[in-house]
Parts: sequence; structure tokens; C-alpha cells
Amino acid sequence: QSVLTQPPSVSAAPGQRVTISCSGSTSNIGNNFVSWYQQLPGTAPKFVIYEDNKRPSGIPDRFSGSKSGTSATLGITGLQTGDEADYYCGAWDSSLSAGVFGGGTKLTVL
Amino acid sequence: QITLKESGPTLVRPTQTLTLTCTFSGFSLRTSGLGVGWIRQPPGKALEWLALIYWDDDKYYSPSLKSRLTITKDTSKNHVVLTMTNTDPVDTATFYCARQARNTFDVWGQGTMVTVSS
Repeated sequence: QSVLTQPPSVSAAPGQRVTISCSGSTSNIGNNFVSWYQQLPGTAPKFVIYEDNKRPSGIPDRFSGSKSGTSATLGITGLQTGDEADYYCGAWDSSLSAGVFGGGTKLTVL
Repeated sequence: QITLKESGPTLVRPTQTLTLTCTFSGFSLRTSGLGVGWIRQPPGKALEWLALIYWDDDKYYSPSLKSRLTITKDTSKNHVVLTMTNTDPVDTATFYCARQARNTFDVWGQGTMVTVSS
């Protein structure tokens, strides 16, 4: 099982908003930055959020990140069919002295 | 433009050592703050963080795999090499290398699929 906990799947209709949670501990999310990665089918992951809530250039403002305590959340508004993908959270774990990922969440846009 | 590309064998026999090379361009591992990491993904499963090497040669490993992994860099060739000893069929996965910057993996290679089978 993964150090960071994500729901296996979420779904919503086009145009709606969805959130994906990522739960950890003080050794990772609680004291280190969180990133979110989008993995479209058959492709390599791509970062969509870094340092908890920053969007890289080219990522639409429909994507947002937030963090509170030992949990982080990825929000996507105005869902599009092209957003269907697996989403992973990641962070550094100070106790492990290693990076960790969540188990991934499959987003289905109904 | 920053690119990374993984290379190595597609098939490895159990107990053999797997050697993967990440060849990158568009940045230098002499630049302060930058690193290159390895991540793997078994078919249909989640990402797993493996190892990371920084510009100053600091190295970090997944605790569960630390005894089997070695990460090195050749700054002059823009290469980062990952070796994994004593492979097992459960190590079958797509292996990715990625640049570490801004506290994230901001650029990923396309990945290389490695099958461990006799």
C-alpha cells in the first residue's frame, strides 16, 4: 500500500467540478511540498500542480491545489473529456528520506 | 527544450542486474538545485518512487529497494544510470526518469518497459 492515500476513483459530468484527496502524515504532506501528476492513458505522467498550489505554465486555471495539515486536494473545474486520466499526488517524506506517491485516482468524466 | 529519454534492455532474466540509462538534454546536472530521479510503474499499477540524484551528488533511495539500487551520474555525458540487482518478475514495469526541480518532477521521459522473465 502507498504512503499517501488517494481514493481509487472519482467521477463527474462534463462541466462539473471534482476534487481528489491525498492523505499523508507530518513526515510528508504536513511538512513538505505536494505535487500532482496527470497520467493520460498510455503516456508518461505530467505535473499539473507543484509546491502545493502552483500551476506550471500551460496548465489551465481549471486545475488548482490546496493543502491543510496532512492532507492535500486537487480540484478540477469545468471538467472536459480530455481530463480523463489517472492522477497521482507526490511528496518528499522526511522520515524515509525518499519521495512517495499516492496510489492514484482514476478520473472518469461521464 | 528539456528532454529525457530512458534506455536499456527490454527483457532481463531473473536474478540478473538491470542497468538503465537516462540521457537528458536542455539542462545540466551541474546546476544547483537540480536532480534526476527514477520512478517505475508495474502494468496497471501505481507509480513507485525509486531513487534520486542531485547536482551535488547527494543520493536518495526507496528504503524498500535501497539494498538493490545504485544511482550514478555522468555530468559530462548528461547521463544518469540506475542499476537494480537481483531482479525478480515482480520488478516488471515501465521505468521513467524525470528531472527534479521546483520540488517536483517537472519533466518526464517517455518511459521504457522492462520485463523480468525466464
